[in-house]
Amino acid sequence: GAVVSQHPSRVICKSGTSVKIECRSLDFQATTMFWYRQFPKQSLMLMATSNEGSKATYEQGVEKDKFLINHASLTLSTLTVTSAHPEDSSFYICSAFTPLGDTQYFGPGTRLTVL
Amino acid sequence: GDSVTQMEGPVTLSEEAFLTINCTYTATGYPSLFWYVQYPGEGLQLLLKATKADDKGSNKGFEATYRKETTSFHLEKGSVQVSDSAVYFCALSSSFGANSKLTFGKGITLSVRP
Repeated sequence: GAVVSQHPSRVICKSGTSVKIECRSLDFQATTMFWYRQFPKQSLMLMATSNEGSKATYEQGVEKDKFLINHASLTLSTLTVTSAHPEDSSFYICSAFTPLGDTQYFGPGTRLTVL
Repeated sequence: GDSVTQMEGPVTLSEEAFLTINCTYTATGYPSLFWYVQYPGEGLQLLLKATKADDKGSNKGFEATYRKETTSFHLEKGSVQVSDSAVYFCALSSSFGANSKLTFGKGITLSVRP
């Protein structure tokens, strides 16, 4: 099946710094990718829809200036958490649709810890 | 808005036991329904799906039937294995195609003892 990777898998940073998370579709081109956030023992919450070559669409309540999304190519989307704070600590997961658009494939997730 | 409710976990079973994980949903229109599984250290994988009422999705011995009258999509397996230990998410999508957004339940952890 289609493979989606994320890098890094874990990151620890100091409060006030910015962190970039990459999401790549390894064997297919993805015009649309999604970014989710998952808290412990909680469901995945959709943060934004990332469209190649255009601005991301953010869900209600998600700060677009804090969570910067760039989808510069058909195989790469990045999420940058700017001026991170401890409350941003979470598990961030991306996903992508194959060109057929019938199945969403997920990355393994990135664990962000902000000290 | 759309929502998915899963039974509370975790669930611990002995190998070869019967498994049922309940899932109910609230949605406008006729959503597609999914079960995703997340094995330790891996990303979510699509386990099975159903796109219309009375459809039965099946994969790897797991089954779920789209019940519109009870707005449910319960996951079942007749005989679980240790390798089935994972987190299971029920999800729905009210739209189609590459922009379909998924709404997830909280997930439930299944542990299978040898």
